[in-house]
Amino acid sequence: KAGVTQTPRYLIKTRGQQVTLSCSPISGHRSVSWYQQTPGQGLQFLFEYFSETQRNKGNFPGRFSGRQFSNSRSEMNVSTLELGDSALYLCASSLAGAGVVEQYFGPGTRLTVT
Amino acid sequence: AQSVTQLGSHVSVSEGALVLLRCNYSSSVPPYLFWYVQYPNQGLQLLLKYTSAATLVKGINGFEAEFKKSETSFHLTKPSAHMSDAAEYFCAVSSNDYKLSFGAGTTVTVRA
Repeated sequence: KAGVTQTPRYLIKTRGQQVTLSCSPISGHRSVSWYQQTPGQGLQFLFEYFSETQRNKGNFPGRFSGRQFSNSRSEMNVSTLELGDSALYLCASSLAGAGVVEQYFGPGTRLTVT
Repeated sequence: AQSVTQLGSHVSVSEGALVLLRCNYSSSVPPYLFWYVQYPNQGLQLLLKYTSAATLVKGINGFEAEFKKSETSFHLTKPSAHMSDAAEYFCAVSSNDYKLSFGAGTTVTVRA
């Protein structure tokens, strides 16, 4: 079974631009979560979607948004990019969301904002 | 709200020696606890999970962890380190709110 895939793997953007990252979960998984990883703040939860509904959201500004499609694929969008948005963005999928059922992570998208 | 504290940001061990990574959690409800490993330029790989079925949990690659409620701990161990164990390790907790809260991570270096 194929793992979680994220596209693109690497991205360079300029301050003020917007970016969209994509995540395809493992087949049959209906929950998709997004995390931001930076050297200073570590791994931080962005949001979680299940059957196209956002069930939880982390403490990030409104510039960070996401959505999930009917096939469980998910996208996250960051508008008006800031230098501090440079990070590794990780997507994770699971059958039912974090908790009893484990999450499987993709390789991440490395975003660099210049 | 739940949180995790990993004691020691860096651990250096000799090949063949015991690996011990410490994790303490805080949770207002019975937690689900996880250990993940991250190799350079890769995502996170699940090593093991605790979901209240057994206090001693065995994972992949020879790792195991013991849940101690009285100490609010979930330390990760491996009896004999291998060079391939060099990576960053993260402890995480979840409390039925559909998210993982991660510790700051511990980087393991293995000396030949």
